[in-house]
Amino acid sequence: NAGVMQNPRHLVRRRGQEARLRCSPMKGHSHVYWYRQLPEEGLKFMVYLQKENIIDESGMPKERFSAEFPKEGPSILRIQQVVRGDSAAYFCASSPPGGHHTDTQYFGPGTRLTVL
Amino acid sequence: DAKTTQPTSMDCAEGRAANLPCNHSTISGNEYVYWYRQIHSQGPQYIIHGLKNNETNEMASLIITEDRKSSTLILPHATLRDTAVYYCIVRSSSGSARQLTFGSGTQLTVLP
Repeated sequence: NAGVMQNPRHLVRRRGQEARLRCSPMKGHSHVYWYRQLPEEGLKFMVYLQKENIIDESGMPKERFSAEFPKEGPSILRIQQVVRGDSAAYFCASSPPGGHHTDTQYFGPGTRLTVL
Repeated sequence: DAKTTQPTSMDCAEGRAANLPCNHSTISGNEYVYWYRQIHSQGPQYIIHGLKNNETNEMASLIITEDRKSSTLILPHATLRDTAVYYCIVRSSSGSARQLTFGSGTQLTVLP
């Protein structure tokens, strides 16, 4: 059973470009979470999605960031007009359906975004 | 979710048991204790979780005190590959929020 997949693993963008980060959850999982880890800092929650729905985006920056989890295909975290402060590791996690609040989250290897 | 307190760093000799403490004195009855670890630059790895009873799996044991105000993660025979930051997280089983709130964790260094 493959784990959570993220691609690309490393992404370099120039200021003002767009960054698209992809996350494929574990097989059978329908809940996806995105977290960000700035250099030398802890992981911070960004957004929680189920298929075709954003459930909680309380950790998302108000501008330039968006996320989706379509009916088919991976979840996408999109950052428009990137700035140097967006340089970080972005981790995706998934959990199984069922709606229980303590469902264990399993993390992917992360995407390391570098903005030049 | 309740706040947790962990030591900043700990050392452990290879082959010995690593005992990582966590204080969560404000934990409420419906909150679980979760442990994750993050090996340098990798994604966090789930280790174990529990509510009241002690738990054991192939990776570790979790000992929760009777009053649930603290817990200890035990790695029975630490190896060099267990060097990582270990996070103790308290998570509610109710409410709308499902995210994990990571603190600073404990940097465990396993020494040869």
